[in-house]
Amino acid sequence: AQKVTQAQTEISVVEKEDVTLDCVYETRDTTYYLFWYKQPPSGELVFLIRRNSFDEQNEISGRYSWNFQKSTSSFNFTITASQVVDSAVYFCALSEEGATDSWGKFQFGAGTQVVVTP
Amino acid sequence: DTEVTQTPKHLVMGMTNKKSLKCEQHMGHRAMYWYKQKAKKPPELMFVYSYEKLSINESVPSRFSPECPNSSLLNLHLHALQPEDSALYLCASSQAEGQMGETQYFGPGTRLLVL
Repeated sequence: AQKVTQAQTEISVVEKEDVTLDCVYETRDTTYYLFWYKQPPSGELVFLIRRNSFDEQNEISGRYSWNFQKSTSSFNFTITASQVVDSAVYFCALSEEGATDSWGKFQFGAGTQVVVTP
Repeated sequence: DTEVTQTPKHLVMGMTNKKSLKCEQHMGHRAMYWYKQKAKKPPELMFVYSYEKLSINESVPSRFSPECPNSSLLNLHLHALQPEDSALYLCASSQAEGQMGETQYFGPGTRLLVL
């Protein structure tokens, strides 16, 4: 069963527009962690944010902001005033307790391709 | 410095070749990972090493053979690969034992093409 759902396959915006990427997760654990990674065309996954299940405060880092809502099992990501350099695939990932031998495993969503045009 | 390096960046090999992918980190991390990523898909976990010991093998075919010579290095030995093994191979590391919630830092990957 898909534990992390990123329903948006691709989002195209014009530079300076805001873009919001949705991430919905599923877990029975009370302790878990959520992550966002950016993967530009070069291939490297760049870590953006880590959030644990007990910290529901929203976070802002420059043009990036994250909205964590446990009530709806969502951890959405917004890029404000998008730039061409934001063009990439963005992955949401879940790390949960589960079985002992699954510790450390990431459940990745399918990813959302963001295309920012000038 | 959150840098993980991988060599080579690109690799083309025949199905009878033997090659190795290399990964290195100098962050003092004790867990290292190999992932395989096909185009337009998320990364898939292959192996996890914790304190230089193999802790997770995700039922990967034996033509892929991982090795962790020391806490900074991770190799992936390739032998008799199939064309469907062509993919981006990503290495990652995390601080402690590869436990829940640890941030994984990824390298740039090796793009492998098997002919």
